[in-house]
Amino acid sequence: AQSVTQLDSQVPVFEEAPVELRCNYSSSVSVYLFWYVQYPNQGLQLLLKYLSGSTLVESINGFEAEFNKSQTSFHLRKPSVHISDTAEYFCAVSGTVGGGSNYKLTFGKGTLLTVNP
Amino acid sequence: KAGVTQTPRYLIKTRGQQVTLSCSPISGHRSVSWYQQTPGQGLQFLFEYFSETQRNKGNFPGRFSGRQFSNSRSEMNVSTLELGDSALYLCASSSPSGRASYEQYFGPGTRLTVT
Repeated sequence: AQSVTQLDSQVPVFEEAPVELRCNYSSSVSVYLFWYVQYPNQGLQLLLKYLSGSTLVESINGFEAEFNKSQTSFHLRKPSVHISDTAEYFCAVSGTVGGGSNYKLTFGKGTLLTVNP
Repeated sequence: KAGVTQTPRYLIKTRGQQVTLSCSPISGHRSVSWYQQTPGQGLQFLFEYFSETQRNKGNFPGRFSGRQFSNSRSEMNVSTLELGDSALYLCASSSPSGRASYEQYFGPGTRLTVT
């Protein structure tokens, strides 16, 4: 069975500071990893994804995440945050099971990032 | 391309009633998944449909059901509503082929309140 642990439920930071949101996963299968962002009263937006290839993936708004298979982690980082980055961030995993595909996303509990001026 | 659309955006129902939620996927996407989001349980998978067939199902009671039409639009139904069914219901769609089929794009959700 797949599971995702987001180690921090809330992360407060000041504007222009760096931030890391931690995500660890547990899975006995080939994994695909995702970060989603949710703004208040909205759905989930796909922020970035790891499907294959380079273990470092980047988004268009400055976030990056690194897939670390040995540590089963997919931490999200940004070197300098803005007020507008305030939102809830969800890490998710899906993948294959013994040659079969599992398209279901398993989510972590979420991390509320609050950027203060 | 238009994104995933969900209707209605907000619903208020009474215990014991039933409700139907609708989802239109991104054009060309044939897989539609449904998730329930609550403050206590977080995001939980309900079911997934592909080409009008339920391909995967989560651990929810039989009161929760869904279907998919030939144009890939999907509906989910909850019968005999309970207070605990109050939640944000999210629909997601994905491309039919390759690794991209694992990427899910979400709609804005339907906020259901059961009183």
